[in-house]
Amino acid sequence: DAGVIQSPRHEVTEMGQEVTLRCKPISGHNSLFWYRQTMMRGLELLIYFNNNVPIDDSGMPEDRFSAKMPNASFSTLKIQPSEPRDSAVYFCASSAEEYNEQFFGPGTRLTVL
Amino acid sequence: KQEVTQIPAALSVPEGENLVLNCSFTDSAIYNLQWFRQDPGKGLTSLLLIQSSQREQTSGRLNASLDKSSGRSTLYIAASQPGDSATYLCAVRPSGYSTLTFGKGTMLLVSP
Repeated sequence: DAGVIQSPRHEVTEMGQEVTLRCKPISGHNSLFWYRQTMMRGLELLIYFNNNVPIDDSGMPEDRFSAKMPNASFSTLKIQPSEPRDSAVYFCASSAEEYNEQFFGPGTRLTVL
Repeated sequence: KQEVTQIPAALSVPEGENLVLNCSFTDSAIYNLQWFRQDPGKGLTSLLLIQSSQREQTSGRLNASLDKSSGRSTLYIAASQPGDSATYLCAVRPSGYSTLTFGKGTMLLVSP
């Protein structure tokens, strides 16, 4: 079975540009999570969806960040406009149910110049 | 607010040693706890999930224990191998919440 799929794996962009990160959860999983990992702050939850509905977006840093889940097999995380401090590794994870074991994708390494 | 601490931040051992990684959390009202492994530049791989009603879980050479009342979990690795070298992360799911709170991890190096 394919695990969680994320694209792109690496993204380098200039400050002010729009960035879109993509995630395909494991088939049949109902919950999807977006995390950000930095050296300083470790892993932090940005937002999570249950049955395609955003449940908790309290971790989204500011209005520049937005996330969507138009269907059960696809989610996007958009940053517009991007800033150098957004540079991090962004992970997507999914689980069969909200409280179950989470499975992570390989991550997208974002560098904003 | 739940806080998760992992000590030590880094650990270096010779191959073959048994070792223990520690995780502590501030709020004992948890639903479950999950241990992950992260290789450099890679995503997280789930190792073990312990429900709040369980005391331990085992998978191969790995054994994770949970003492909810004291806010502690340990990950025991038996007969360590160079391939075990990675960062190990502990994550707690508070009761009533779907989200995980992560520790900063323990970076393990097993030398041949």
